[in-house]
Amino acid sequence: RKEVEQDPGPFNVPEGATVAFNCTYSNSASQSFFWYRQDCRKEPKLLMSVYSSGNEDGRFTAQLNRASQYISLLIRDSKLSDSATYLCVVIPGMDSSYKLIFGSGTRLLVRP
Amino acid sequence: DGGITQSPKYLFRKEGQNVTLSCEQNLNHDAMYWYRQDPGQGLRLIYYSQIVNDFQKGDIAEGYSVSREKKESFPLTVTSAQKNPTAFYLCASNPQSTDTQYFGPGTRLTVL
Repeated sequence: RKEVEQDPGPFNVPEGATVAFNCTYSNSASQSFFWYRQDCRKEPKLLMSVYSSGNEDGRFTAQLNRASQYISLLIRDSKLSDSATYLCVVIPGMDSSYKLIFGSGTRLLVRP
Repeated sequence: DGGITQSPKYLFRKEGQNVTLSCEQNLNHDAMYWYRQDPGQGLRLIYYSQIVNDFQKGDIAEGYSVSREKKESFPLTVTSAQKNPTAFYLCASNPQSTDTQYFGPGTRLTVL
């Protein structure tokens, strides 16, 4: 089983739609969680950190479910510019805070 | 401007040649990292360095070497021992106070 798993997609949605991605992780001791966005042939950029209480940044909401070991990303009112690959990132534990484990990404396509 | 720079953006190499990828940051970050990304896959850690003159192997260090003589610089050498070097190479860094990593624009290496 992979340490971090994501549905590769693509998720093909119309502008204005709400879309959600999930990401599961295998290490129950994982400490930190992030969503990164990666445009085609570019570097990943931090979208948001994921806190136990959940967090929201404009149209984006991230949630953490420790019991079921998954994190989610909800995008409301999708824009064409949201088209990208979304990478789920997990830091396994306190003794390996340097080590980010990346999912392979979920591709989102927003159509006019 | 503060940031992480990588050069060159594209690199072509003949089989059997060593090649060095540059990574420089002026963010005063302590830790630096090298990742490799293959199509449809997550990033994998090659090497990391948390302080000057010290570095550690990541998950896929075979066929690679690094140095950290200065805080700002963390070059990666892809040696002829690396069996499948064609990939997108990403450098990242973070300050001691946070586990959020920030990425350079990447170098796309193609072995001919």
